[in-house]
Amino acid sequence: ETGVTQSPTHLIKTRGQQVTLRCSSQSGHNTVSWYQQALGQGPQFIFQYYREEENGRGNFPPRFSGLQFPNYSSELNVNALELDDSALYLCASSDSPYSNQPQHFGDGTRLSIL
Amino acid sequence: DQQVKQNSPSLSVQEGRISILNCDYTNSMFDYFLWYKKYPAEGPTFLISISSIKDKNEDGRFTVFLNKSAKHLSLHIVPSQPGDSAVYFCAASDAGANSKLTFGKGITLSVRP
Repeated sequence: ETGVTQSPTHLIKTRGQQVTLRCSSQSGHNTVSWYQQALGQGPQFIFQYYREEENGRGNFPPRFSGLQFPNYSSELNVNALELDDSALYLCASSDSPYSNQPQHFGDGTRLSIL
Repeated sequence: DQQVKQNSPSLSVQEGRISILNCDYTNSMFDYFLWYKKYPAEGPTFLISISSIKDKNEDGRFTVFLNKSAKHLSLHIVPSQPGDSAVYFCAASDAGANSKLTFGKGITLSVRP
């Protein structure tokens, strides 16, 4: 069984640029959630995708957007990057957006904004 | 407004002893609680969970206790091992339209040999 994989592992960008992060969900999982983890903080929910539609969003501006593909993989796009966007971005997958089943996380993408 | 609070940033225990990690929450709509463990340069790994209809769930060395009236849960690790040294996150979700998790800030556990 393949776990959640994320790419790239590290990325350096400058303010104002745009970035795309990628996530392959665990086999059999149709729900993908994205989280931002700033230094010294717990992960914060950005949004969730289920069957290629956004299914809930946290307190993040519209320049954070996402996609989910028919194979349930997902992308997180961030436009007009700001210094505060420097963080670890985590992707998590689960077998349903409704059931009380644990989400399984990838190892994350470390994004640094200069 | 932090809905899930882990007020102790760190805990150090001797190998073989019990580790008790605490977590408090404010949102009474939360009905599912999880603990994740995180090593440096890795993503969080699911450890154990508990539904609000239970007050205890056990899995090997790990036991989670839930006190709904106090809005408090705790993770007990017995016996603690050096490999348990990691950051532990408490997380919660409610029975809403999605399963978004609300996390605490984490507790760094150090188990001394």
